[in-house]
Amino acid sequence: QKEVEQDPGPLSVPEGAIVSLNCTYSNSAFQYFMWYRQYSRKGPELLMYTYSSGNKEDGRFTAQVDKSSKYISLFIRDSQPSDSATYLCAIQTTYSGAGSYQLTFGKGTKLSVIP
Amino acid sequence: EAEVAQSPRYKITEKSQAVAFWCDPISGHATLYWYRQILGQGPELLVQFQDESVVDDSQLPKDRFSAERLKGVDSTLKIQPAELGDSAMYLCASSMLEVYSYNEQFFGPGTRLTVL
Repeated sequence: QKEVEQDPGPLSVPEGAIVSLNCTYSNSAFQYFMWYRQYSRKGPELLMYTYSSGNKEDGRFTAQVDKSSKYISLFIRDSQPSDSATYLCAIQTTYSGAGSYQLTFGKGTKLSVIP
Repeated sequence: EAEVAQSPRYKITEKSQAVAFWCDPISGHATLYWYRQILGQGPELLVQFQDESVVDDSQLPKDRFSAERLKGVDSTLKIQPAELGDSAMYLCASSMLEVYSYNEQFFGPGTRLTVL
């Protein structure tokens, strides 16, 4: 079982729809949870990060973490064609004392928002 | 706004040739990462530097890949000889190091490698 599982899609929705993207993870030591957006042929850019269980909202985007279920979600409200991209969940392990923070990524979900 | 710089953006090479990628992290970022992203997959860590020292290179295929960060600033990743399976996006990222805290990784635009 991979440490982070993400449905790769692709996912196609009409403009204005609510989008739900999800990941599951296996290691309860994970503490920080991130969503990155990656446009075609570009590097990933951070959308949001969360630490604790619960919701975090930023404009049209809401990140949700359920540590008891090891489940993280990203919701996009009123989706726009400019949201068309690949969305990657990523999880950072806590500091181990060895000088090493690392990210473990999901496969990414390719989203297309159709005008 | 400070950004991670990478070059070249695209590289086409024939198998068995040598290739090199360069990365200049955001000024002041002590930690530098090289990732490989195969099409349709998430990035996977190849090597991590803290200043000029390698912290983790457990996933780096050391028979053909090498990485250095001699002065603790910019870094070079080399592949020799390149194989068909090395075709991928090579991403560089950098971050500050704050113990027991969240360390945002900033990614560069990547180098798209095609091995023929």
